[in-house]
Amino acid sequence: GAGVSQSPSNKVTEKGKDVELRCDPISGHTALYWYRQSLGQGLEFLIYFQGNSAPDKSGLPSDRFSAERTGGSVSTLTIQRTQQEDSAVYLCASSLAGQYTDTQYFGPGTRLTVL
Amino acid sequence: GNSVTQMEGPVTLSEEAFLTINCTYTATGYPSLFWYVQYPGEGLQLLLKATKADDKGSNKGFEATYRKETTSFHLEKGSVQVSDSAVYFCALSTGANSKLTFGKGITLSVRP
Repeated sequence: GAGVSQSPSNKVTEKGKDVELRCDPISGHTALYWYRQSLGQGLEFLIYFQGNSAPDKSGLPSDRFSAERTGGSVSTLTIQRTQQEDSAVYLCASSLAGQYTDTQYFGPGTRLTVL
Repeated sequence: GNSVTQMEGPVTLSEEAFLTINCTYTATGYPSLFWYVQYPGEGLQLLLKATKADDKGSNKGFEATYRKETTSFHLEKGSVQVSDSAVYFCALSTGANSKLTFGKGITLSVRP
C-alpha cells in the first residue's frame, strides 16, 4: 500500500510567520512520530502519538511547537513565530503498534527554510 | 539516557571493498537496534534491525549482529557497490516511548 506521505515537500517562510506541516501515516498504523533533521543537530525526536493516549511531547524544543493527530490518522505539526534555527527537514514516521521492536516507516520529509 | 555513537566519516571505498561501520550504544533498558539508510535524494529507510542479543539482521548483503556484551551493532558488507553510496544511521529504540535515538550518521561513497 501507500507509504507515509508529507506535505508540503518544501516550505519557505519569513521569520515570525506560523507554518503547518502535514503527515499522512500508513493506513492501520497506530503510532506516529515526528523527527527533525538538521545539519547541526542530526536526527532528533520531537513528538510521539500512540492510539488514543496522550502524546509524548518530550522532544519539542520550545512552546512554539505543537502537534495534533485527528481521528487517529493525519497529523499536523505547527510551528508558531518561526525562527531561523527552525530551518530543517521535518520527518514523519509511523509504525504498526508503537512497540520498540517495530519498524518505523518514514515519509519523504518537509524541508522548511526560514528567511 | 539513550545515546548512539557512530564512527566519524566520511568513508570512501573502491567497489568490491569490505565495509565496516562501527556503532556502539548506551541505553536504559533493553533496546532494539536498527540501521537506517538515506540514499541521495531519497527518504530514510530501514536497512536492517535486531531486537534481541545475538540476533543478526541482514538485508541487501549487509549484516549487523546485536552484541550486548560490547553494546555494539557494527554494520558490515563483504563487497560494496557504487549503488551503496548513501548516508547510514545507527539507531536504537527502548520500551519507554519507542522513539528512535540516532547516531550522527556516516556518509559512504563507493567509487568504481
